[in-house]
Amino acid sequence: EPEVTQTPSHQVTQMGQEVILRCVPISNHLYFYWYRQILGQKVEFLVSFYNNEISEKSEIFDDQFSVERPDGSNFTLKIRSTKLEDSAMYFCASSKPDRVGRDTQYFGPGTRLTVL
Amino acid sequence: AQSVTQLGSHVSVSEGALVLLRCNYSSSVPPYLFWYVQYPNQGLQLLLKYTSAATLVKGINGFEAEFKKSETSFHLTKPSAHMSDAAEYFCAVTKSNFGNEKLTFGTGTRLTIIP
Repeated sequence: EPEVTQTPSHQVTQMGQEVILRCVPISNHLYFYWYRQILGQKVEFLVSFYNNEISEKSEIFDDQFSVERPDGSNFTLKIRSTKLEDSAMYFCASSKPDRVGRDTQYFGPGTRLTVL
Repeated sequence: AQSVTQLGSHVSVSEGALVLLRCNYSSSVPPYLFWYVQYPNQGLQLLLKYTSAATLVKGINGFEAEFKKSETSFHLTKPSAHMSDAAEYFCAVTKSNFGNEKLTFGTGTRLTIIP
């Protein structure tokens, strides 16, 4: 069964450094998302992406964040200058509408980002 | 704005007992509701979803949920708990089901199964 994959599974970085989190969505999906989950808290929406554009972003997704689909398969989240509070599990998800629009978001296993 | 509230951050049940995880929603438009499960050190897996086709929704692993508009609820149940059901469960809502809509999650309920 097709699945969303994410790399790396765990990333440790120093505060102020740039990180790129990578995702490979399911191949025929059209919509892509990033969510994050700070330890012990709920899963929060960051951004959605369709047709090479951001569709919606949350207040969390400030100028330090960017997303890109550099080729036909990868979807990346970049954090330019990491802060301690960026430490979280980051989930990528993808979806496609079926014929009656009942799409489902499929999630990857996540990347745990630790900022020291 | 949409939101979901999960009552009980931790629920413990005995193996073989009924599992009931509560979720109430708030939405200004007809909601689309989901339950996801997260096993330790894994991502989110869809258990089931309500998309207005039927109020009683059956999902994987023997779980089901009933959409009750009058109670604004979408509680998750399973008649007989199994040790493998131990995980964190998240209720989520979105305002449409035509793609590209963000999911708004509840705070999660950690389910523990007592042998």
